Amino acid sequence: EVQLVESGGTLVQPGGSLRLSCTASGFTFSSYGMNWVRQAPGKGLEWVSIISGSGDVTYYADSVNGRFTISRDNSKNTLFLQMNSLRAEDTAAYYCVRKERVGVAPFDYWGQGTLVTVSS
Amino acid sequence: DIQMTQSPSTLSASVGDRVTITCRASQSISRWLAWYQQKPGKAPKLLISEASSLRSGVPSRFSGSGFGTEFTLTISGLQPDDFATYYCQQCSSYPYTFGQGTKLEIK
Repeated sequence: EVQLVESGGTLVQPGGSLRLSCTASGFTFSSYGMNWVRQAPGKGLEWVSIISGSGDVTYYADSVNGRFTISRDNSKNTLFLQMNSLRAEDTAAYYCVRKERVGVAPFDYWGQGTLVTVSS
Repeated sequence: DIQMTQSPSTLSASVGDRVTITCRASQSISRWLAWYQQKPGKAPKLLISEASSLRSGVPSRFSGSGFGTEFTLTISGLQPDDFATYYCQQCSSYPYTFGQGTKLEIK
């Protein structure tokens, strides 16, 4: 059974930093591109970033480019999101999401989300 | 970036009704469109991929159609479990943008 479990969400002050983690199980982690998708309270879904299975290709949404860094440790089946220079508008539930296959593909498995609150 | 526009934003319907949600892309995305269902406090669930391919375990009352820039999600014979928020997503190019969502409410 595919499982994605996020952790690391908490309350952080504006301008602060935070690292989210996602531990994967039930599939060959290194074979899949992995994403972070966020959802502000009461709002819609916003794709944040993707990293390829090998970790050598990454993309970011304009809203986080230059502030967030996605990475992965395939030996530990873990995905990370390093978030710096946090702003109030980064407040959201952050979901770890698997891309179904290489190339054009939907997001087939989602974690339960971890809440990041940016506030003083 | 490709913009995705869903309509309506809110839809009121009754159990047994047939409802349709529309999603429009700002440029052609071929058939690279996915539909997700989200219930309060839960993660989204993939319902349909490639515009019309029903995912395993998804009831056959859900169907999707469309190509290019116009897509629809239809639910035939609404069940109580279907009242949720639905999102479309283009999977053609990054950023993989979502529609703003359609909240399906009980009338």
